[in-house]
Amino acid sequence: EVQLVESGGGLVQPGRSLKLSCAASGFTFSNYGMHWIRQAPTKGLEWVASISPSGGSTYYRDSVKGRFTISRDNAKSTLYLQMDSLRSEDTATYYCARWDNYAYYFDYWGQGVMVTVSS
Amino acid sequence: DVVMTQTPPSLSVAIGQSVSISCKSSQSLVYSDGKTYLHWLLQSSGRSPKRLIYQVSNLDSGVPDRFSGTGSQKDFTLKISRVEAKDLGVYYCAQTTHFPLTFGSGTKLEIK
Repeated sequence: EVQLVESGGGLVQPGRSLKLSCAASGFTFSNYGMHWIRQAPTKGLEWVASISPSGGSTYYRDSVKGRFTISRDNAKSTLYLQMDSLRSEDTATYYCARWDNYAYYFDYWGQGVMVTVSS
Repeated sequence: DVVMTQTPPSLSVAIGQSVSISCKSSQSLVYSDGKTYLHWLLQSSGRSPKRLIYQVSNLDSGVPDRFSGTGSQKDFTLKISRVEAKDLGVYYCAQTTHFPLTFGSGTKLEIK
């Protein structure tokens, strides 16, 4: 059974950093691209970042470029999102999601982790 | 960025009725390989999104055939026939043809 479990969220002050993790199991992690998608309270879904199976290619939305870094450790089957210089508008539930190489979209999602940026 | 305009924002329907949700994109979603990467997801209350339909009209495993997707280029529709109570939640369209990947604003389906 495919499982994605996020951790590392919490309350952080503006300008500070936080690192999210997504532990994957039930599939060969190194074969799949992975994504981070967020959802601000009572809002819709917003794609944040993507990483290729090897980790050699990464993509970001403009509003997080230069502040967020997506990475992965295939030996540990874990996806990461390093978030620096956090802003109040980064407050959201962050989901990790697996990329379906055939259907070309997100086929499995984690349960999400809440990040609150506030003083 | 590709803007996905989803309507209506909410729907209230009786069990057994049919509903349609529209999703229009600001650019064609046909990729260079000829495929159209427009998908539909459902987020039930308090839960993470789950996949429903991929590439316009392909039902994901376990999705009942009461759900159907149609459309092309920039204009797409999700139809739910014979709505059941378990169908309630927020439906999102999503495009993965162009970066950044973008979602519609969602349609909340409520049961009367």
